[in-house]
Amino acid sequence: DVKVTQSSRYLVKRTGEKVFLECVQDMDHENMFWYRQDPGLGLRLIYFSYDVKMKEKGDIPEGYSVSREKKERFSLILESASTNQTSMYLCASSFWGYGYTFGSGTRLTVV
Amino acid sequence: AQSVTQLDSQVPVFEEAPVELRCNYSSSVSVYLFWYVQYPNQGLQLLLKYLSGSTLVKGINGFEAEFNKSQTSFHLRKPSVHISDTAEYFCAVSDSNYQLIWGAGTKLIIKP
Repeated sequence: DVKVTQSSRYLVKRTGEKVFLECVQDMDHENMFWYRQDPGLGLRLIYFSYDVKMKEKGDIPEGYSVSREKKERFSLILESASTNQTSMYLCASSFWGYGYTFGSGTRLTVV
Repeated sequence: AQSVTQLDSQVPVFEEAPVELRCNYSSSVSVYLFWYVQYPNQGLQLLLKYLSGSTLVKGINGFEAEFNKSQTSFHLRKPSVHISDTAEYFCAVSDSNYQLIWGAGTKLIIKP
C-alpha cells in the first residue's frame, strides 16, 4: 500500500514563526499536493507539484511556499505564520489519474 | 471548468437503514470518478473509484456507487449502515490534467 506520511499530527506555533510541514510518500508518485481544510470551506488546494523542483500554485497560495528537492518529499512552508493559517493541512500524492493517497493530516494551531 | 455538486451537506439516517449520498458532476468528456471518506481528525481514504468498465463499482466497507453518464451522477450507496460509518464523504472527479475537483462533502450522521 502507498503510504503518505506527514511529520506531525498536531502542531502549535506562534504568530510570525516560520513553519515547515513535511510530507513523504513511498511509492514513487510523480504528483504531490498540499490542501488545507476548514469547516464549511471544503478542501482548498494550496500548491502542487508534478515533478522534482517543479511547483504550481493552487487556489490559495498566498502566505505559503513549497519545496520539492526529492521526488518523495514535498514540504509546505509558512514563511510567517498568522492566526488565519490555523487549519487542518492535508498532503496527498498520486500517479496521474488513479486517485490520490492522503496522509493523516496535520492540525496546525497558530497562537 | 468541471465542477462537482454534493447535494446534501448532511444526511441523518438510522443505524441498519440504507443510505444514498448524491453526487453530480459537470463534464462533457470521459471522466474518472472517486468517493473518499474522512473520519474525524483523519486524512481522506479512498472508498471506491470509477475509471472505466462496469458502471456499478464496489468499494470498501460495503459501499458501492453507480456511474450514470446520461445524468452525470455518481451516487454512493450502502444497504445497511453502522455507527462506524459516521464520517464525512467526498465525491471527486478528475480534470484533464488528472487533478481532482472536489465536492463540498456530505456528513453522514448515524442515529442509534
